[in-house]
Amino acid sequence: EPEVTQTPSHQVTQMGQEVILRCVPISNHLYFYWYRQILGQKVEFLVSFYNNEISEKSEIFDDQFSVERPDGSNFTLKIRSTKLEDSAMYFCASSESPSAPLHFGNGTRLTVT
Amino acid sequence: AQSVTQPDIHITVSEGASLELRCNYSYGATPYLFWYVQSPGQGLQLLLKYFSGDTLVQGIKGFEAEFKRSQSSFNLRKPSVHWSDAAEYFCAVVPSWQGGGNKLTFGTGTQLKVEL
Repeated sequence: EPEVTQTPSHQVTQMGQEVILRCVPISNHLYFYWYRQILGQKVEFLVSFYNNEISEKSEIFDDQFSVERPDGSNFTLKIRSTKLEDSAMYFCASSESPSAPLHFGNGTRLTVT
Repeated sequence: AQSVTQPDIHITVSEGASLELRCNYSYGATPYLFWYVQSPGQGLQLLLKYFSGDTLVQGIKGFEAEFKRSQSSFNLRKPSVHWSDAAEYFCAVVPSWQGGGNKLTFGTGTQLKVEL
């Protein structure tokens, strides 16, 4: 079964540094998402992306965050200047349509020190 | 306020025993409802979903869930739990009146432990 793949599985960075989290969605999917889960808290929606633009974003997704589909296969989340509170598990997901089930990757655990 | 609640943070059951995980939602109308499972080191996997119609929904891995409008609940059940079912289970909703979409709101999760 096709999978959503995320790299790296674990990223450690210093506060103030930029990080890029990478995702390869399922190849025939057109809708892409990022969610995050701070340790011990709920999984939270960050952003949805379709047709090379953001469809919707949450209040968490401020100017420090950006998403990009740099080529036909990758979907990235960039955090420009990381803060301690950005430490979380970040999940990428994709779907065929807005109402089709989401397929999630295994996540990238981001640790900001 | 709109919310989805999973009252049980941890549940322990013996292998072979039945399982019910609770999920309640608080929305003005019935949202779309989902159950996801997260095994250690894995992503979130969809177990089942309810959009409309038959209130008893069958999913993968032998799970089912029942939608009860009167109780605003969507509880997950399995008749006989296997040790491999140990994982964290998340209930999630999407407001149906917003055209669906995949902006899921998740509950806090229930950690299931299975005793051999």
